[in-house]
Amino acid sequence: EVQLVESGGGLVKPGGSLRLSCAASGFTFSSYSMNWVRQAPGKGLEWVSSISSSSSYIYYADSVKGRFTISRDNAKNSLYLQMNSLRAEDTAVYYCARGDIVARWGQGTLVTVSS
Amino acid sequence: DIQMTQSPSSLSASVGDRVTITCRASQGISNYLAWYQQKPGKVPKLLIYAASTLQSGVPSRFSGSGSGTDFTLTISSLQPEDVATYYCQKYNSALGTFGQGTKVEIK
Repeated sequence: EVQLVESGGGLVKPGGSLRLSCAASGFTFSSYSMNWVRQAPGKGLEWVSSISSSSSYIYYADSVKGRFTISRDNAKNSLYLQMNSLRAEDTAVYYCARGDIVARWGQGTLVTVSS
Repeated sequence: DIQMTQSPSSLSASVGDRVTITCRASQGISNYLAWYQQKPGKVPKLLIYAASTLQSGVPSRFSGSGSGTDFTLTISSLQPEDVATYYCQKYNSALGTFGQGTKVEIK
């Protein structure tokens, strides 16, 4: 069974940092591009970042460029999102999502940026 | 960057009605368009990809069409379990921009 399990969310002060992780299982992780997608409370889906299967190609939404860093470890079947200089508007549920066409989503981890 | 615009932002229809949601890309994206359904408190679910290909297990009352810049999601006969927010997403480049969503309710 395909599973994506996010962790690392929590409460952080503006300007702070967090590192999200996504543990993947049930499929060949190294064969898929991966994404982070977020959803602010009561708002729509926002694509955040993508990384190709071998980490050769990495892309960011303008809203996080220069502050967030996506990475992956295919040996550990894991995806990461390092979030620095966090702002109140980064408050959201962050989903780990598999592939260009996202048929598999994690359950999400909540990041709250507040003083 | 390519922007995705959905309309309407919300709609209310009766059970059995035909419902149509549109999605417009600011530049051509061929058929690299997916539709997702998100029920309250749930994770998004893939309905359609490649603009018109139904994901396995999705009821046949859902259909998609379009190419280039204009796309449509149609629910042929609205059911109570279709109450949800629907999102389009382009995937022709690695920037997977979503539309703002269309909330569907039962009248």
